[in-house]
Formats: sequence, structure tokens, C-alpha cells
Amino acid sequence: GEDVEQSLFLSVREGDSSVINCTYTDSSSTYLYWYKQEPGAGLQLLTYIFSNMDMKQDQRLTVLLNKKDKHLSLRIADTQTGDSAIYFCAETLFSGGYNKLIFGAGTRLAVHP
Amino acid sequence: DTEVTQTPKHLVMGMTNKKSLKCEQHMGHRAMYWYKQKAKKPPELMFVYSYEKLSINESVPSRFSPECPNSSLLNLHLHALQPEDSALYLCASSQVFAGAETQYFGPGTRLLVL
Repeated sequence: GEDVEQSLFLSVREGDSSVINCTYTDSSSTYLYWYKQEPGAGLQLLTYIFSNMDMKQDQRLTVLLNKKDKHLSLRIADTQTGDSAIYFCAETLFSGGYNKLIFGAGTRLAVHP
Repeated sequence: DTEVTQTPKHLVMGMTNKKSLKCEQHMGHRAMYWYKQKAKKPPELMFVYSYEKLSINESVPSRFSPECPNSSLLNLHLHALQPEDSALYLCASSQVFAGAETQYFGPGTRLLVL
């Protein structure tokens, strides 16, 4: 089935780490993605991870993948006010000859001083 | 350059109007997408064009009519819309990169139907 679940809200203090969690259902997903959406803007691709990897690090971002539990997380180190946004996790479902993105509902990250 | 541009940024239209949304990318991507996003919801796929041909129509009402004039441009023609069609309309394009079909999104057109 197609179902990606995320917690809806996360509040952190500036300078702390943020961890946004996601669970997905399609074990055949080849890639899993994290997108960021600031208010009134489009989706910005943050990072993605190949399904045979456990971890991917890119500057302040660390993605962890537990394929057995179908659990994906995004850790943002030293969270800043500019990180306040909605973060969407997405899995890929191969359907109709192309990879369809299945999004979670999005996690709203609020960063406070 | 990973930029997808969309015009206009905002659009207000009546239910009897005809308008068009435009999307452009110059990354050489061969797949382009239209999504609809309601407030506090994730994007919902509407259409997919692959090599300028319509590949996917996710059961979208005929009052939305997509068009792909060339590999860089994607239009969405709007006619006789309903107030519930008010939303953020996002365009995306994708390349095949190391087996990942990574989609890059434009900033969107915020549509209000009165």
C-alpha cells in the first residue's frame, strides 16, 4: 500500500538538534527523500538516500534509514530559525512506468530562541 | 542550475474565466509534473509529461487541461474552475540521476477562484 506517516509538529530551541521521523510502507522504494517547504514557497529538495544505505550525511543534515522497520529520520544539527518550515518525507512507488512520489503529511518544525 | 520557474505567482479568477499557468525549466529534464497542494496538506499529483507526451493523468477533472509545447515548457489551462480548486499549483521536473528520479519543484502559483 501507499502510506507515509510523519508526526505533524516539532518544536526545538535554537542551537539544539532536531529529529524528524517518518515511516513508510513500500519496501520496494528505491529512494527516499526529504523536502523542505517554507511558508508560501515551493518544495526544496534537501536530500535523498538510496535504500541500500543506512546513513547519509550532508553538512548539518543526517539521514538515517532503518529498512527493516521502514523508518526514516532527518536530523538537523545546530538548528537555526531559518530551518523553521514544513518537512516532507517521500517514498517512491514505481507505477505506470515512472517513479511516483508518495508524500507524508509533513512535519512543521518551529525553532524558538 | 536546478531552477524551475512558474508564472504567475498569484492568480485570482472567476468561475467563468479562462486562464493559464506556465512552468519552465532549462535543466534538460525530460519529465515534468503538475501538483496541486491545499493548505496544510502534501502535494497531490495531477499530471506527468514524459518526453513531451502526457503519461499520467491522475483522474483530474477536464476543467484542468495540461499542455507541453516543448521539452522546457509546461502549461496548465484553467476553465470554469470551482472555488474548491483554490490551491497552490506546483510544477516539478525530473532527471534520472544515478537511478533516482529526483524531482525539482518550482515556487508555485497560488490560485484563488471566486
